[in-house]
Amino acid sequence: KNEVEQSPQNLTAQEGEFITINCSYSVGISALHWLQQHPGGGIVSLFMLSSGKKKHGRLIATINIQEKHSSLHITASHPRDSAVYICAVRTSGGGADGLTFGKGTHLIIQP
Amino acid sequence: NAGVTQTPKFQVLKTGQSMTLQCAQDMNHNSMYWYRQDPGMGLRLIYYSASEGTTDKGEVPNGYNVSRLNKREFSLRLESAAPSQTSVYFCASSEFLRDQPQHFGDGTRLSIL
Repeated sequence: KNEVEQSPQNLTAQEGEFITINCSYSVGISALHWLQQHPGGGIVSLFMLSSGKKKHGRLIATINIQEKHSSLHITASHPRDSAVYICAVRTSGGGADGLTFGKGTHLIIQP
Repeated sequence: NAGVTQTPKFQVLKTGQSMTLQCAQDMNHNSMYWYRQDPGMGLRLIYYSASEGTTDKGEVPNGYNVSRLNKREFSLRLESAAPSQTSVYFCASSEFLRDQPQHFGDGTRLSIL
């Protein structure tokens, strides 16, 4: 079973700061997902990546397959970015399908 | 622009009662999933359906049954609810099973007394 570890668990920052959230996993994967869970509970898919880097607006996701590590960056952070950010992986090589999720990083951006 | 719709949003049950959580998607997705989310833990897969007519167990299937009624609908049934099943349940769908973004419903908050 793949183990997914996120750091930090909690992060409080000031508006405008550059934010980095990290995700490490233990075995080979076919894809890694970054999700955002709003304070109201809804979950939105931000990125799915298997190599390199993806960018969407102020959000950037990178992955290093050799290091088994991914980062989610938020530039020019804003209070509306306050949410729980969740990393999830799909393990390569078959087995029961579905994602293995990290416990999430609770981000608060203060004005 | 509904996406994935879950009903009900909240439910309180007594131990031993049964209920069905409903999920429907309007994106013509082939694959659907049921997850549970508990405090201090990541989301965990209960059951999934790769395509219409198929269902498979996930990580935590005990105490649950599912039905893929048609391509749109995937229901989760608790036959005899237990307090350990108190959780927030999320339904999700994706175009195909592997390496596709998943679209989530808003969740069902279920309390078992």
